[in-house]
Amino acid sequence: GQQLNQSPQSMFIQEGEDVSMNCTSSSIFNTWLWYKQDPGEGPVLLIALYKAGELTSNGRLTAQFGITRKDSFLNISASIPSDVGIYFCAGQILNNAGNMLTFGGGTRLMVKP
Amino acid sequence: DGGITQSPKYLFRKEGQNVTLSCEQNLNHDAMYWYRQDPGQGLRLIYYSQIVNDFQKGDIAEGYSVSREKKESFPLTVTSAQKNPTAFYLCASSPIGGNEQFFGPGTRLTVL
Repeated sequence: GQQLNQSPQSMFIQEGEDVSMNCTSSSIFNTWLWYKQDPGEGPVLLIALYKAGELTSNGRLTAQFGITRKDSFLNISASIPSDVGIYFCAGQILNNAGNMLTFGGGTRLMVKP
Repeated sequence: DGGITQSPKYLFRKEGQNVTLSCEQNLNHDAMYWYRQDPGQGLRLIYYSQIVNDFQKGDIAEGYSVSREKKESFPLTVTSAQKNPTAFYLCASSPIGGNEQFFGPGTRLTVL
């Protein structure tokens, strides 16, 4: 299936710092989604992007749909301890009959108070 | 409250036994999905269903089976043919034509 390369794999930052992570693919996607997963829980949808170039914010989170439609990034500003978790990108290709998503490998974020 | 429920949260089974994981949603979503997550890994699709009485294999369907007799329910059976069943299993749903999937809390299966 399609591959999504998500980087970095992990980040260990100081509280208050900004964070940036991204996903790239060789395939074109018509939707990009960003999820956060707390330990032992299911992923929760943070931001959905539907249009190339789209920039969307959700509180301290900002995500963008790349112009080439092959990449997306997520920024977290002024990180706090509760930002700890695994962040996943997911993309959906055009004409996907099953509305299936392809997931990146995740970015594990650790925040030091 | 609307949502997706998975039960149980933790499940232990002996090797060679079949086990069924429950997934129920009251969001009136047509499509439902099962994923497997291994430590430090992303999500891999096992099976999905877009409509009642119909389902399709995902990327790693071998050793698993599903049914979709009701819109609200999409149980997953992990059979004894699954070589390495210990994992975290996630169920998700989405409305038909919708791009977003919403996840349940997951079931952690440990086979001893």
